Amino acid sequence: AQSVTQPDIHITVSEGASLELRCNYSYGATPYLFWYVQSPGQGLQLLLKYFSGDTLVQGIKGFEAEFKRSQSSFNLRKPSVHWSDAAEYFCAVATSKSGYALNFGKGTSLLVTP
Amino acid sequence: DAGITQSPRYKITETGRQVTLMCHQTWSHSYMFWYRQDLGHGLRLIYYSAAADITDKGEVPDGYVVSRSKTENFPLTLESATRSQTSVYFCASRNRVGGTGELFFGEGSRLTVL
Repeated sequence: AQSVTQPDIHITVSEGASLELRCNYSYGATPYLFWYVQSPGQGLQLLLKYFSGDTLVQGIKGFEAEFKRSQSSFNLRKPSVHWSDAAEYFCAVATSKSGYALNFGKGTSLLVTP
Repeated sequence: DAGITQSPRYKITETGRQVTLMCHQTWSHSYMFWYRQDLGHGLRLIYYSAAADITDKGEVPDGYVVSRSKTENFPLTLESATRSQTSVYFCASRNRVGGTGELFFGEGSRLTVL
């Protein structure tokens, strides 16, 4: 079954520093991959998605992600983190069953320090 | 304002009681989903629906019942609530068939079962 793994449960970065959140997927064919962000007490908001084509995908809020088939990865990056980026980040893959529901990783909690 | 809304946002109930969480979307999306979010587990799919009167189980359906008599509504019922069902529940919808469409999420319903 399609699945994703987010190896880092918590990450702390200083404001202005660069950020990379890791995501590894398990799927034989080209997966449909997503990154979502969840602020405290809120629902999930889509940051970006990848289906095919250019392996570097641009999203909202200055985020980007790179699909690397050889590494089965879809890591999320941002060159300079702002305090408002503190949130929970979820990587997800669309399953081929369950109406193409998303299978989510367990999330990475981002803390931004001054 | 158009979108996907959940009610109630917060609910406290007792073991054995029936609880219904409501989900309403104004986009006429075909697909709707219910997830639960628990610490350490990320989001797990409970039920999904491909259209009115078409529903199916997800990963963790036990103890839950859904219905979808109208396209815009997708209520989730806990027929006899248990403490293990204490969680945050998210409803989502999607407007496309296939895995390329993003899911749009409600703000969640936080349920506590005493």
